[in-house]
Amino acid sequence: EPEVTQTPSHQVTQMGQEVILRCVPISNHLYFYWYRQILGQKVEFLVSFYNNEISEKSEIFDDQFSVERPDGSNFTLKIRSTKLEDSAMYFCATQGLQETQYFGPGTRLLVL
Amino acid sequence: SQQGEEDPQALSIQEGENATMNCSYKTSINNLQWYRQNSGRGLVHLILIRSNEREKHSGRLRVTLDTSKKSSSLLITASRAADTASYFCATVLYYGNNRLAFGKGNQVVVIP
Repeated sequence: EPEVTQTPSHQVTQMGQEVILRCVPISNHLYFYWYRQILGQKVEFLVSFYNNEISEKSEIFDDQFSVERPDGSNFTLKIRSTKLEDSAMYFCATQGLQETQYFGPGTRLLVL
Repeated sequence: SQQGEEDPQALSIQEGENATMNCSYKTSINNLQWYRQNSGRGLVHLILIRSNEREKHSGRLRVTLDTSKKSSSLLITASRAADTASYFCATVLYYGNNRLAFGKGNQVVVIP
């Protein structure tokens, strides 16, 4: 069964550094999402992406965050200057024509 | 903003018993979905119920939706040790806006 993959599985970075989280969607899916889950808290929506542009973003998704599909297949989340509070599990999700979103296994980001 | 909210319970049951968990939300929705998360892993979609549906079954899962009370329940029948996980409800506000709003999750432990 097709699945969403994410790399890296874990990332440790210093505060102020840039990180890029990568996602490979299920092929022929059209909608792409990033969510995050801070340890012990709810899964929170960050951004949705459709037709090569952001369709919606949350208040969390400020100027430090950006998304793109650099090569038409991968879907990336960039955090320009990481903060301690960015430490979380980041999930990519993709969706086809049905309403179900399929989640990747996540990237655990630790900012020191 | 509107969010799914589970009753904040940790449920511990014996294998073979049924597990029931509840979720409430605050505003009108298009659909409500249940996800499972094994410790430190990604989210697995279990079942989706639309606002015009009252009950839905999928294997050992039974979901109900009461839009007048803005609540949903997830029943897992004949539980197995492999059902041990966190279970989250998530709501979608309206068709075309696919942002998932997650609740806090219920931890279910099934004792063999």
